[in-house]
Amino acid sequence: GESVGLHLPTLSVQEGDNSIINCAYSNSASDYFIWYKQESGKGPQFIIDIRSNMDKRQGQRVTVLLNKTVKHLSLQIAATQPGDSAVYFCAEGDYKLSFGAGTTVTVRA
Amino acid sequence: DAGVIQSPRHEVTEMGQEVTLRCKPISGHDYLFWYRQTMMRGLELLIYFNNNVPIDDSGMPEDRFSAKMPNASFSTLKIQPSEPRDSAVYFCASSFTGVDSPLHFGNGTRLTVT
Repeated sequence: GESVGLHLPTLSVQEGDNSIINCAYSNSASDYFIWYKQESGKGPQFIIDIRSNMDKRQGQRVTVLLNKTVKHLSLQIAATQPGDSAVYFCAEGDYKLSFGAGTTVTVRA
Repeated sequence: DAGVIQSPRHEVTEMGQEVTLRCKPISGHDYLFWYRQTMMRGLELLIYFNNNVPIDDSGMPEDRFSAKMPNASFSTLKIQPSEPRDSAVYFCASSFTGVDSPLHFGNGTRLTVT
């Protein structure tokens, strides 16, 4: 069946370092992938998305990489800041997004 | 842009009572989604609408749950009767096209059923 999962449930990062959050997906037919950030008490907030015809997309301090061969998605955050502490979700699908379990990122001062 | 607006933010009710959660999507968005989030099951899609019409309700747990969208700017999710296992955070989200379009989430309603 379809599943979207994360390699690590938690990630501790030193402020200023780069963060890499990984995600594996099982549906090789998936055409759309997206990363969300969720802070405590708030709804998931869109970070960046990528379509299957791309392997890399950059935003402000974030980069998403897609490796369709191994069905792997990653989110890179440059110069991690305290405000980046949150739970990060990957999701895949079209009309119906399937969400992973989430990775909790903690930024150390 | 006010974003997706949900009310109430918190709801505490007793088992057996009716609960109604409300959502106002972003103006111009044609798709509206209801999700439920729990520690055990993560984010689960309950139902989604396109142009006010329910398209897929396969995620609705059982007949106790119902959702309506009487117009483009308002939707409700109703639980009747509520049970303790319904305790969760319920999110409403909307998107412009539905396909290949990011969902914009509200801040959720935290429901506690005692």
